[in-house]
Amino acid sequence: EAGVAQSPRYKIIEKRQSVAFWCNPISGHATLYWYQQILGQGPKLLIQFQNNGVVDDSQLPKDRFSAERLKGVDSTLKIQPAKLEDSAVYLCASSELSGSADTQYFGPGTRLTVL
Amino acid sequence: GQQLNQSPQSMFIQEGEDVSMNCTSSSIFNTWLWYKQDPGEGPVLLIALYKAGELTSNGRLTAQFGITRKDSFLNISASIPSDVGIYFCAGTNTGNQFYFGTGTSLTVIP
Repeated sequence: EAGVAQSPRYKIIEKRQSVAFWCNPISGHATLYWYQQILGQGPKLLIQFQNNGVVDDSQLPKDRFSAERLKGVDSTLKIQPAKLEDSAVYLCASSELSGSADTQYFGPGTRLTVL
Repeated sequence: GQQLNQSPQSMFIQEGEDVSMNCTSSSIFNTWLWYKQDPGEGPVLLIALYKAGELTSNGRLTAQFGITRKDSFLNISASIPSDVGIYFCAGTNTGNQFYFGTGTSLTVIP
């Protein structure tokens, strides 16, 4: 079974530039999550989708971050404009059901460095 | 925001030793999960706990859901080199919000 795919694996940009990350969840998984993991910390949930609807985006900095899952499958996370403090690993996860305690399968992440 | 505090922050142990780590919260949680993260990879779920007092094992790993619902413990018996990594607790609070802990870094010395 294919796992959660993310691209790119690494991205280096300058502050004030824009960047987008892509995630392809496990086939058939209804729920998709984006996390931000700053070095030395645990992942922080940014946004949770169930199919193509947003379940929770309470911790998403909406002035600069946006995410979409238009067809209920793939998702993109965008940062515009980026700040130095956005340097982190951005993890995507998916789960079969919608409960947050349901087993989440994580992708390898995209490591973003903002200079 | 909500913070799950893990202790210890890091551990250096000899191969074969047992390991204990814990996770505490200032508020009640309805579920507790334990994950392991290897460098360059996403976290992998080890154990899930759903009821206060619940004790669950997965091979050499045992975790418990504290009866106060504000803490959880993870024990690893007879550690081996591949146990190296960062262990995170996570959980869902009464507001159905999901949080990860601060992590415990484990180093096993052969």
